[in-house]
Amino acid sequence: KNQVEQSPQSLIILEGKNCTLQCNYTVSPFSNLRWYKQDTGRGPVSLTIMTFSENTKSNGRYTATLDADTKQSSLHITASQLSDSASYICVVSRSDSWGKLQFGAGTQVVVTP
Amino acid sequence: NAGVTQTPKFQVLKTGQSMTLQCAQDMNHEYMSWYRQDPGMGLRLIHYSVGAGITDQGEVPNGYNVSRSTTEDFPLRLLSAAPSQTSVYFCASSYSFSGLYNEQFFGPGTRLTVL
Repeated sequence: KNQVEQSPQSLIILEGKNCTLQCNYTVSPFSNLRWYKQDTGRGPVSLTIMTFSENTKSNGRYTATLDADTKQSSLHITASQLSDSASYICVVSRSDSWGKLQFGAGTQVVVTP
Repeated sequence: NAGVTQTPKFQVLKTGQSMTLQCAQDMNHEYMSWYRQDPGMGLRLIHYSVGAGITDQGEVPNGYNVSRSTTEDFPLRLLSAAPSQTSVYFCASSYSFSGLYNEQFFGPGTRLTVL
């Protein structure tokens, strides 16, 4: 069973609207959680990185939250743009093997005009 | 800086053929790794290297070989291609293996089809 579960699998939103993506993980011992954006045909690009002591981090219109107690994270996209159409991947690393990351399957976001 | 580069972008092989996927980085990163990405699944680690001359297996190493003779290059070799190896392959690098804010940079990927 994947240790990082993302929901929904996909969603379609209208340009200008907000949306929230969810990530639940069971990875332990926890080190940090990252959100990546992957455009079609490209490699993932980092959006945010949070450790257990951080519960919110923003990168422009992207805001990630982390609840290390419940092992949940969310990524909120504000005022979506067509360029936000991509797969968003939640990635968790263990404190005993930082280099070995656990990847979620991703949420495919489609922003329509 | 070019970042992480991968060649080729696309490749079609027949079952049993061998080939090498190339990966290079110009950021003087110690840590390099190879992942495969399959539909509906998260990226899975194939092999990784924590420095020149040092490599180790990841989650799905069978059927693949790696070597790291220089800091810059980390090629992935498919010994005898099988249809199950049809996937998109990503190379990634980071400054070091450890560190709380150690960011991994990914290449553009190689789409491999094995017939």
